Amino acid sequence: QLQLQESGPGLVKPSETLSLTCTVSGGSISSSSYYWGWVRQPPGKGLEWVGSIYYSGSTYYNPSLKSRVTISVDTSKNQFSLKLNSVTAADTAVYYCARLLYSSRSVDYWGQGTLVTVSS
Amino acid sequence: QSALTQEASVSGTVGQKVTLSCTGNSNNIGSYAVGWYQQISHGAPKTVMFGNSLPSGIPDRFSGSKSGTTASLTISGLQPEDEADYFCSTWDYSLSAVVFGGGTKLTVL
Repeated sequence: QLQLQESGPGLVKPSETLSLTCTVSGGSISSSSYYWGWVRQPPGKGLEWVGSIYYSGSTYYNPSLKSRVTISVDTSKNQFSLKLNSVTAADTAVYYCARLLYSSRSVDYWGQGTLVTVSS
Repeated sequence: QSALTQEASVSGTVGQKVTLSCTGNSNNIGSYAVGWYQQISHGAPKTVMFGNSLPSGIPDRFSGSKSGTTASLTISGLQPEDEADYFCSTWDYSLSAVVFGGGTKLTVL
């Protein structure tokens, strides 16, 4: 059974960089059938796609976040990571890592999510 | 404003059939399969449908369909445990982005 687990600080100061890692177990991140990505959910709001990466390293980012986001992959560790710089309170959210189907970019597996609060 | 449009709320009684809709355009739903996600009490989302495929462990009372630029999730034989928020998503090739609907709150009366 595929499992995804987010890890990283739960509190980040304004203007600093949010960094999260997703560890994948029960399957290979190097599969050609999937993208890997991040989805976030601000408190009381809906789901927002942050960005996705293919095992080869090709990336797609939410246009509204593109200037601040970097997603990278480490196939040797079966992990992928998110960096979001210059954060503000608006970036406070539960961040989910996810596996996305290559064909439609629909999510088939989700991590449990981790709350990141931006506050001084 | 979300790229995909969903009803804000839908309600039904136990045993009833309910259908949730997700409307987009030719750049997204018209061209790609749609995923549907269930979120209970703000927990982690769970995928209940992708395209016409039912993930392992999801009851077969859930089914998905698409007509043109509108996708639908139908729950036949509504159960109390189906009460949740439901979101849809797919790829939009004009935006080069994954797009989500704003979500539908399903209430089981």
